[in-house]
Amino acid sequence: QVQLVESGGGVVQPGRSLRLSCAAAGFTFRSSGMHWVRQAPGKGLEWVAVISFDGGDRYYADSLKGRFTISRDNSKNTLYLQMSSLKAEDTAVYYCARGGSFDNWGQGTLVTVSS
Amino acid sequence: QSALTQPASVSGSPGQSITISCTGTSSDVGGYNYVSWYQQHPGKAPKLMIYDVNKWPSGVSNRFSGSKSGNTASLTISGLQAEDEGDYYCSSYTTSSTYVFGTGTKVTVL
Repeated sequence: QVQLVESGGGVVQPGRSLRLSCAAAGFTFRSSGMHWVRQAPGKGLEWVAVISFDGGDRYYADSLKGRFTISRDNSKNTLYLQMSSLKAEDTAVYYCARGGSFDNWGQGTLVTVSS
Repeated sequence: QSALTQPASVSGSPGQSITISCTGTSSDVGGYNYVSWYQQHPGKAPKLMIYDVNKWPSGVSNRFSGSKSGNTASLTISGLQAEDEGDYYCSSYTTSSTYVFGTGTKVTVL
């Protein structure tokens, strides 16, 4: 079955960088578009970014203003989110999700931005 | 990329039907048949319930149904059950090749 496992979260100081990973299994990763979605504590879902199956197309939420970069390594079945200039408001659980309809989700990884 | 508008809460008694609305614009909900719905229980990841406005993923009960009229999509839960309690979110593809989620609706089974 489809498995998506996020990692890389933790506590980071404001202004620093962090890279999240999402290991995929149980489906043909190289054929699937992939998303990152985040959820601040007690808040709703916020779409972050999407990458096409081959990495050729990438789109981001306007609110991120170029601070985040989505990428993938199809040879490793892994999705990444590079986050820079982190702010307190980036504190959230970050989920990776498969497909255009967010068909499957990982369990999420918590990122806390705090000094 | 403003969030789609959903009611904050909806409630119903077991066996009843409830409907959750999701209002956007012609640049998202009204422009594409790419509206999806997700159920989220506390502390859990969201689960896809409906995609492409009114299609069921494998394994999802047909008590859940979706529709769309203009810039508003709707999710109807029929035969409400205690296990249906949770938060529900809609999402839509947009003209900017991006995606947007709804504000979320808390469903309570009385």
